[in-house]
Amino acid sequence: GIQVEQSPPDLILQEGANSTLRCNFSDSVNNLQWFHQNPWGQLINLFYIPSGTKQNGRLSATTVATERYSLLYISSSQTTDSGVYFCAVEGGGSYIPTFGRGTSLIVHP
Amino acid sequence: DTAVSQTPKYLVTQMGNDKSIKCEQNLGHDTMYWYKQDSKKFLKIMFSYNNKELIINETVPNRFSPKSPDKAHLNLHINSLELGDSAVYFCASSLAWGAGNTIYFGEGSWLTVV
Repeated sequence: GIQVEQSPPDLILQEGANSTLRCNFSDSVNNLQWFHQNPWGQLINLFYIPSGTKQNGRLSATTVATERYSLLYISSSQTTDSGVYFCAVEGGGSYIPTFGRGTSLIVHP
Repeated sequence: DTAVSQTPKYLVTQMGNDKSIKCEQNLGHDTMYWYKQDSKKFLKIMFSYNNKELIINETVPNRFSPKSPDKAHLNLHINSLELGDSAVYFCASSLAWGAGNTIYFGEGSWLTVV
């Protein structure tokens, strides 16, 4: 099946800083989503982005399917951005949403 | 209204017991999933159903048995619980199988086996 790798595994920021999270995948992609798991465990959809660029407030995402990666940008980070960010990918002939191991983000006030 | 709801949210039980987790979605979706999240936060698919039919059954012990009475419900029954079954179990749904749709998750069920 498709392999999904996320980097960095851990990230610590001061409030107001910007960051870039990366998701690499091993095969052609049909679907790619970014999720935020908050400290209470809820998994929240951020973006559905199999290709191209989208923006939602301080967050934006870009997927370059031909180069097999996606980036999630967080600008002017806030403490409420803390949590784990996952990308989930369907591809390589499979329709199974496969998750990366996540990036754990801590934003300090 | 909660789109994907799971019950119970917390479950503490003894080894050897049998327990069930229920999931319901009110989004009108055809596809539902069960994922297991381990202590290292890794999310691994267990099962997927499309229109009440099983389409994915990953390498999961046969003590785990999903049941879908209709396309809005996907329940998970676990027999003879073991310590290693302790995890968070997430139910999810999407519009249709293989259509590249957004996945919506329930709030998770925290299972602790003692």
